[in-house]
Amino acid sequence: EIVLTQSPATLSLSPGERATLSCRASQSVRSYLAWYQQKPGQAPRLLIYDAFNRATGIPARFSGSGSGTDFTLTISSLEPEDFAFYYCQQRSNWPRTFGQGTKLEIK
Amino acid sequence: EVQLVESGGGLVKPGGSLRLSCAGSGFTFNGHSMNWVRQAPGKGLEWVSSISSSSRYIYYADSVKGRLTVSRDNAKNSLYLQMNSLRAEDTAVYYCAKSLEPDRDWFDPWGQGTLVTVSS
Repeated sequence: EIVLTQSPATLSLSPGERATLSCRASQSVRSYLAWYQQKPGQAPRLLIYDAFNRATGIPARFSGSGSGTDFTLTISSLEPEDFAFYYCQQRSNWPRTFGQGTKLEIK
Repeated sequence: EVQLVESGGGLVKPGGSLRLSCAGSGFTFNGHSMNWVRQAPGKGLEWVSSISSSSRYIYYADSVKGRLTVSRDNAKNSLYLQMNSLRAEDTAVYYCAKSLEPDRDWFDPWGQGTLVTVSS
C-alpha cells in the first residue's frame, strides 16, 4: 500500500498570503496524484488531478506540481473561502489511498 | 448538471447489515467507473471500493473485503454498497463519487454522503 504523508498538519495563514502544502508518497506514483478540498459539513471537491491539471471551475490561484514521490499544492493568494481541509490521493496503485490531510486555518 | 444522491444510511447494531444506494443523473452512468469513499467522524478520507463501468473490475480496501459488496445497475443509473457484519469502526459518512473520465478514475464529483452508525 502506498502511504501518502501530508505536511504540515495545520497551516495558519492570513488572507492574501501564499499557501504551500506538501504530499510525499512512500513510493513513486508517477503523476497520478490529486488534491481535494473539503469544507466542514461538505463533501470533498476535486481541485487538481494528474499532479497539475486544474479541475473544471477551479480558480487559477490553485496550482499543483511534482512527480514521483514529492508533490505540492500552492494557493497563490488566499481568499477567505480557501480555509478548509486539503487531502492528496493517488491512483497509481490499488488500494487507492489518501493523505491524512492538512488543515488550512486563518491566522 | 451531474448529481449523485446517496441513501440508506442509519443506525445498525454490530454484526448487522445495511444497503447503501447512490443515484446518478446528469451524465452517462454506464460510461464511468464509480467509487465509495468513507469518512469516520472527525477523521480523514478512506477509499472503500471501486467498480468499473461494466462491473468487470471490482476493488476493495482490505478493511472491508469480505464484508462489503459493491454493485451497480446501469439500467437504473444506480450504485450500491451491501454492508454485512458491520463493526463499530465502519461508522462513517459514506460518499459515492463518479470517476472524472472513463480512463481517469479521480473522484469527481461526490455525493452529499450518508451517515452509517454502528452501535449497540
